[in-house]
Amino acid sequence: DQQVKQNSPSLSVQEGRISILNCDYTNSMFDYFLWYKKYPAEGPTFLISISSIKDKNEDGRFTVFLNKSAKHLSLHIVPSQPGDSAVYFCAASKYGGSQGNLIFGKGTKLSVKP
Amino acid sequence: GAGVSQSPSNKVTEKGKDVELRCDPISGHTALYWYRQRLGQGLEFLIYFQGNSAPDKSGLPSDRFSAERTGESVSTLTIQRTQQEDSAVYLCASTVDLTYEQYFGPGTRLTVT
Repeated sequence: DQQVKQNSPSLSVQEGRISILNCDYTNSMFDYFLWYKKYPAEGPTFLISISSIKDKNEDGRFTVFLNKSAKHLSLHIVPSQPGDSAVYFCAASKYGGSQGNLIFGKGTKLSVKP
Repeated sequence: GAGVSQSPSNKVTEKGKDVELRCDPISGHTALYWYRQRLGQGLEFLIYFQGNSAPDKSGLPSDRFSAERTGESVSTLTIQRTQQEDSAVYLCASTVDLTYEQYFGPGTRLTVT
C-alpha cells in the first residue's frame, strides 16, 4: 500500500508560468516532507523540505505548502524554466528530526516548454 | 566535488548469478542508505547504515539481498541468485547526522537476463 502518492505521472507547463506538483500521504505519523528532482541517468537531488510544524516553506522560485488536515502537500515553481524539466519525487519521513529512511512517491515528470 | 559515487554504472547479468554493487559515500557522512527504483516506480527503501551497523534492514526484499559497510565508508550491496524481478536502478545515498538531506549517487542500473 502506497503511503506517499503522486497521482499525476506527468505535467506540461509553458515557460514563465507556474508549475504545481501535488503529493498526498496516508500515514499521519509522517512529520517531515521533502521534494527531490531527478534528471535522467543521475541520482535525485534535494530541492526543498518542510517540517510538519509549518505550512509553508519558500526557497527562491520554489515553495512547498503543507496541509496536514488533508494530508496533502504541493510544490510550486514560479516562474517555470526549461531547466526545471525533470522528474520530481515527493518523500516523507516519520522520525522527527532523527535519521531514517524516506518513503518516496512514484514521481511526476515535469516538462517546461519554451 | 566529491559526491556519492557508485559502481558499476551498468551491470547486465544472467539469472542465477550473484552481483555486488558498490557505494562510496561522501567523506564524513555517517549514514548510508540503499534504495532501488524499478521501472515506473518510486524509490523503494532497502537498508540503512549508521556507521557500520544496520539499524534498519526492513526493506530488503528477500534473504538473497545483503549489505555490509566498512566503518563509515564503502558499502556493498550483494544480490545472490539474481532473478529478473531484481532488474532496477539501485541508488545509494549518504547524509551527515541529524539531517534529512540525503545526497544520492547516480545509481547502478542492473539488468537480469
